[in-house]
Amino acid sequence: GAVVSQHPSWVICKSGTSVKIECRSLDFQATTMFWYRQFPKQSLMLMATSNEGSKATYEQGVEKDKFLINHASLTLSTLTVTSAHPEDSSFYICSARPTGVSNQPQHFGDGTRLSIL
Amino acid sequence: GNSVTQMEGPVTLSEEAFLTINCTYTATGYPSLFWYVQYPGEGLQLLLKATKADDKGSNKGFEATYRKETTSFHLEKGSVQVSDSAVYFCALSGGGSEKLVFGKGTKLTVNP
Repeated sequence: GAVVSQHPSWVICKSGTSVKIECRSLDFQATTMFWYRQFPKQSLMLMATSNEGSKATYEQGVEKDKFLINHASLTLSTLTVTSAHPEDSSFYICSARPTGVSNQPQHFGDGTRLSIL
Repeated sequence: GNSVTQMEGPVTLSEEAFLTINCTYTATGYPSLFWYVQYPGEGLQLLLKATKADDKGSNKGFEATYRKETTSFHLEKGSVQVSDSAVYFCALSGGGSEKLVFGKGTKLTVNP
């Protein structure tokens, strides 16, 4: 079945560091990928829609300069949390939907737990 | 806009009990409906889906029927197992958008 790989699964780093998270679709192409943030015991909040070959679309209230998204190929999107601070600590999850196939659901990565000290 | 409301829980059941997690939605047009499951420390896995009215999604003993007249997509399982302990999210997509709108999630704990 469709698999989305997210890397790394856990990051602990100092305040001020920039952190890059990768999201790969392993056996399908995805023109569009999605990045979510999940706070403890809460639902997923869509941060942005990543579009291959063009700029990402950010949800209201999400700082585009803080959360840089690059979708360089049909199988890879990256989220970079720039100059991370403790309030950026969270669980980040990506998803991807197979391109060109109707009625296909989004497939999710296993998430990245980011802890900023 | 689109929205999903699901019972918040937490829900605690004994093994082999019957499970229902209620989910209702508000959407324009004809959305697709999903249930996702999140095991501790992991991402989301698609559990089941339904794309049109009266469709029944089923997987691993779980079922949900797309009820347009009541705008509902309740999740049911006849006999839960300890391994079903997880957080369950109801979600929809539609209105020409691929974006998923999630409910707040329901934590299920099944005790032996």
